[in-house]
Amino acid sequence: SQKIEQNSEALNIQEGKTATLTCNYTNYSPAYLQWYRQDPGRGPVFLLLIRENEKEKRKERLKVTFDTTLKQSLFHITASQPADSATYLCALANSGNTPLVFGKGTRLSVIA
Amino acid sequence: DTAVSQTPKYLVTQMGNDKSIKCEQNLGHDTMYWYKQDSKKFLKIMFSYNNKELIINETVPNRFSPKSPDKAHLNLHINSLELGDSAVYFCASSPPTGEYGYTFGSGTRLTVV
Repeated sequence: SQKIEQNSEALNIQEGKTATLTCNYTNYSPAYLQWYRQDPGRGPVFLLLIRENEKEKRKERLKVTFDTTLKQSLFHITASQPADSATYLCALANSGNTPLVFGKGTRLSVIA
Repeated sequence: DTAVSQTPKYLVTQMGNDKSIKCEQNLGHDTMYWYKQDSKKFLKIMFSYNNKELIINETVPNRFSPKSPDKAHLNLHINSLELGDSAVYFCASSPPTGEYGYTFGSGTRLTVV
């Protein structure tokens, strides 16, 4: 069966450190993978998209890697801040015509 | 200047009732979606819809039906509400190719009593 697994339900890190979140998938051949942030009581907010032929994508303090051999994406937040505390969701789709399927998310807490 | 707006934000209703949740987007996107987020925060696709095609998640009961009066609106109608329908429902939209991020509404918290 198809699965998207974010291996940590919750992650606590110290302010200033790099947070690394993992997304693994099975029985998908995603054309692209996306990461979202969700705050309590709000809808998910799009952060980054990485395509199957891309290894790495950066945006400010965020970095995403995509390894289609390992079937894994890593999401990094460098110099983390308490304001980065939120739930982070990975999502993927096999093609541009199929809806995104989401992982269950990792709740990140950055401690000052 | 809200991009994707849903109404109502909260909805409390009794079992057996019929209710609708409205969604509107002003982004000019061709594709709209409904997702359900349960108590464990798991976000599940219910429907995706553009002018040409409705994709229904096969696990969605047929008591749920999307209705699109035009490209900017995708409403969710629910018949004969059950306790298990209690969840947060999110509307989202995206450009047609799908290789862009989705824009989500702020959600409708449905409570069935």
